[in-house]
Amino acid sequence: KNEVEQSPQNLTAQEGEFITINCSYSVGISALHWLQQHPGGGIVSLFMLSSGKKKHGRLIATINIQEKHSSLHITASHPRDSAVYICAAASNTGNQFYFGTGTSLTVIP
Amino acid sequence: GAVVSQHPSRVICKSGTSVKIECRSLDFQATTMFWYRQFPKQSLMLMATSNEGSKATYEQGVEKDKFLINHASLTLSTLTVTSAHPEDSSFYICSARVLNYGYTFGSGTRLTVV
Repeated sequence: KNEVEQSPQNLTAQEGEFITINCSYSVGISALHWLQQHPGGGIVSLFMLSSGKKKHGRLIATINIQEKHSSLHITASHPRDSAVYICAAASNTGNQFYFGTGTSLTVIP
Repeated sequence: GAVVSQHPSRVICKSGTSVKIECRSLDFQATTMFWYRQFPKQSLMLMATSNEGSKATYEQGVEKDKFLINHASLTLSTLTVTSAHPEDSSFYICSARVLNYGYTFGSGTRLTVV
C-alpha cells in the first residue's frame, strides 16, 4: 500500500466545472504539498499545507490532519488547468517525501 | 522567491556518453538537494540526497558510480549520468528544501539516450 493515495487517477471536466482531487496519507507529516506537472514535465509547487485551508486564485487546498486527508479544488476550471496534480507528503521524521501517483486532469473547452 | 533553475531541459545523447544536469538555487542557499527520476506514467522516485560539502546519500538500488552527484557549493548541485544507456532515458528533477518555505522544484530534464 502506498503511503500517499490520490483519487481520481484521471479526470476530464468541461470548462467552468468545479474540480476536486483527493489525497489520503498514512504517515506522519510535517507538511502536505500539492504540485502541478505540465505536459512538458516541469513541476510547480502550488501549496504547502500543515493545517486548515489555503487559497490562491481559483485554487483551494484543504487539509484535515485528524483524518489524514487533503483536497485540492479548482473553481471555474479552464483548459490551461490541464496538467497532472501530485500530492506529496513531507515526512515528519526526516527529509523523506512520499508522492502520490498523480491525477491527470483534462479540461475540455 | 526560492527558485531552482535546472538545465538542460531536454538532452539527447548517445549510449556510452555522459550527461551532466545542473540545478542552481537562484535566490537562496540550498544546503540539501534532492534528485528524483520519473518514468512515464509513474510518480517521482527519490534517487539521492545531496548535501553541500559532503557525499550524497543514495537510495537503495541507485548506482552511485553511474549517477554521480556533486554539491560543491550552496547554490549548485549536479547529477552526471555516466555511460548512459537507453534504460536511463527518463525525466530527472531536482528539489531543494527551503527554510520556512517548504520545497521548491527545478523544471526537470528529459533525458533520451539513443
